[in-house]
Amino acid sequence: AQSVTQPDIHITVSEGASLELRCNYSYGATPYLFWYVQSPGQGLQLLLKYFSGDTLVQGIKGFEAEFKRSQSSFNLRKPSVHWSDAAEYFCAVGAGFGNEKLTFGTGTRLTIIP
Amino acid sequence: DTGVSQDPRHKITKRGQNVTFRCDPISEHNRLYWYRQTLGQGPEFLTYFQNEAQLEKSRLLSDRFSAERPKGSFSTLEIQRTEQGDSAMYLCASSSSTGNTDTQYFGPGTRLTVL
Repeated sequence: AQSVTQPDIHITVSEGASLELRCNYSYGATPYLFWYVQSPGQGLQLLLKYFSGDTLVQGIKGFEAEFKRSQSSFNLRKPSVHWSDAAEYFCAVGAGFGNEKLTFGTGTRLTIIP
Repeated sequence: DTGVSQDPRHKITKRGQNVTFRCDPISEHNRLYWYRQTLGQGPEFLTYFQNEAQLEKSRLLSDRFSAERPKGSFSTLEIQRTEQGDSAMYLCASSSSTGNTDTQYFGPGTRLTVL
């Protein structure tokens, strides 16, 4: 069975600083990987996804993520955060073609300080 | 594209009562998923439909839970004899199985509080 680990429960970053959120996955085959963001009381918004091909994927809001098979990682990055980026971030892995169910990590809460 | 909608957004009920939630997927999507999210956790898969067929159910879905998608469009999730442990955010997502980029799009969720 697949699993996702997000080792950082809470990260605080100054506005304008760079950001990296860690995600490690466990899955026996080539994974389908996703990053979602959740603002308080809201549903999940897709930031970006990796299915195959280029291991560096670009998403919305200036985010990018890099798939590293050797490290079983899919870390999310942003070169300069904005106050509006404060939210909960979830990494998820899909089971394969159709990824009928997603397995999520426990999330990383991002706080932005002025 | 109006997105995935869920109704109600909030539900407060007393223990032992039955509740029903509705999800309307993106219109051209043939797959529909239900997840449950408790405080401080990521969403956990409950069940999913392809068209009207319920293809997978999680062990989390006890016999008090039932989901339907009668015409392959909207879906309902019913919880019978609610317990305090059922308090959570219930999220619905939809996707299209055509092509090879099956991406799930989530609704705003229904927050259930069981007193």
